[in-house]
Amino acid sequence: AQSVTQLDSHVSVSEGTPVLLRCNYSSSYSPSLFWYVQHPNKGLQLLLKYTSAATLVKGINGFEAEFKKSETSFHLTKPSAHMSDAAEYFCVVSDQREGTGKLIFGQGTTLQVKP
Amino acid sequence: NAGVTQTPKFRILKIGQSMTLQCTQDMNHNYMYWYRQDPGMGLKLIYYSVGAGITDKGEVPNGYNVSRSTTEDFPLRLELAAPSQTSVYFCASRQVNSNQPQHFGDGTRLSIL
Repeated sequence: AQSVTQLDSHVSVSEGTPVLLRCNYSSSYSPSLFWYVQHPNKGLQLLLKYTSAATLVKGINGFEAEFKKSETSFHLTKPSAHMSDAAEYFCVVSDQREGTGKLIFGQGTTLQVKP
Repeated sequence: NAGVTQTPKFRILKIGQSMTLQCTQDMNHNYMYWYRQDPGMGLKLIYYSVGAGITDKGEVPNGYNVSRSTTEDFPLRLELAAPSQTSVYFCASRQVNSNQPQHFGDGTRLSIL
């Protein structure tokens, strides 16, 4: 069975400082991993995805994530936070062998960015 | 390109009423999904469809029904609304390739009183 654990429910950073949102996953097979962002009263927007190519994945808005199989982690980072980054972030796993593309969501991390 | 469109955006229902949440996509995606998001939680899969005429249950299907008569549309039906169904509902679609991400609508915020 697949599962996703986001290790922090809330992260607070100052504008201009680095961002680290932590995610661990459990998957029996080759996983696809995604990070989605949700701004208030909006749908989910894809930040980046890992699908067994390069382990360091670059996404939109300066975000990147590194797939570490030995640690079963897929942490999201950004060198310098911007006020517009304040949102809810979801780490998501999908089983590449399972053809329906069903997603398993983490519980989310709220990112607060202080001026 | 509109992507995934959900209507209505907001709705208040009384207990026992029924309603249909509409979802349509213009990307010719075969796969479509319905999720619900409760406060402070991630999304949970209600139903999904891998093509017109084919639907299947997700993690939390009780109290809901779906149909998929066309590639574009995937409506979600609540027959007897209950307070536990107060939530934000998201529709998503995806290309057939398993590496492709899902594209989400903006959601329908439903309150049942």
